[in-house]
Amino acid sequence: GQQLNQSPQSMFIQEGEDVSMNCTSSSIFNTWLWYKQDPGEGPVLLIALYKAGELTSNGRLTAQFGITRKDSFLNISASIPSDVGIYFCAGLEGANSKLTFGKGITLSVRP
Amino acid sequence: NAGVMQNPRHLVRRRGQEARLRCSPMKGHSHVYWYRQLPEEGLKFMVYLQKENIIDESGMPKERFSAEFPKEGPSILRIQQVVRGDSAAYFCASSPRRIGSGGFQETQYFGPGTRLLVL
Repeated sequence: GQQLNQSPQSMFIQEGEDVSMNCTSSSIFNTWLWYKQDPGEGPVLLIALYKAGELTSNGRLTAQFGITRKDSFLNISASIPSDVGIYFCAGLEGANSKLTFGKGITLSVRP
Repeated sequence: NAGVMQNPRHLVRRRGQEARLRCSPMKGHSHVYWYRQLPEEGLKFMVYLQKENIIDESGMPKERFSAEFPKEGPSILRIQQVVRGDSAAYFCASSPRRIGSGGFQETQYFGPGTRLLVL
């Protein structure tokens, strides 16, 4: 099946720093979603992107839908301790209603 | 406005027993999706249901697993004769309409999950 690639598996940053995460695919997706998961909880939607080239912000978070429709990035500015968690990208392909997820990036923020 | 609800949050079963996982979608949502998450992995799609219908079960194992979403009541994911490899977190998501059909900007909202441990 399709895969979304997220790397590295873990990122460590200092509080106050910005961080950028990438998600790539070998095929085209028509919707890109970014979720955050805290330990023992379900994924919470952060940002949804529906058009190639779209740039959307949600507070300190900004995400972009790549022009080729094969990638997306998420940027977190001025990180704070509660940004700690696992960040997943997910995509919808064609008329499918099932989401394809990346393996996630675990973000650690040092105070 | 309650979100997606799942119960139980944690379930322990011995090999060979049955596991029943329940999901109540968000109010007004009639489309339900089940995903499985293994440790340190992303979520993997299992099945997509609309009220009383299975729309896409391409991610469901062929044996022992079944899902339903009756006219009344929650959606149920049922695993018969559980094995250790079934240990995982199972998440349910819901949406008000079918997504992915183009021209409709919507997404899936996830519940807190059921953590299944098979001893």
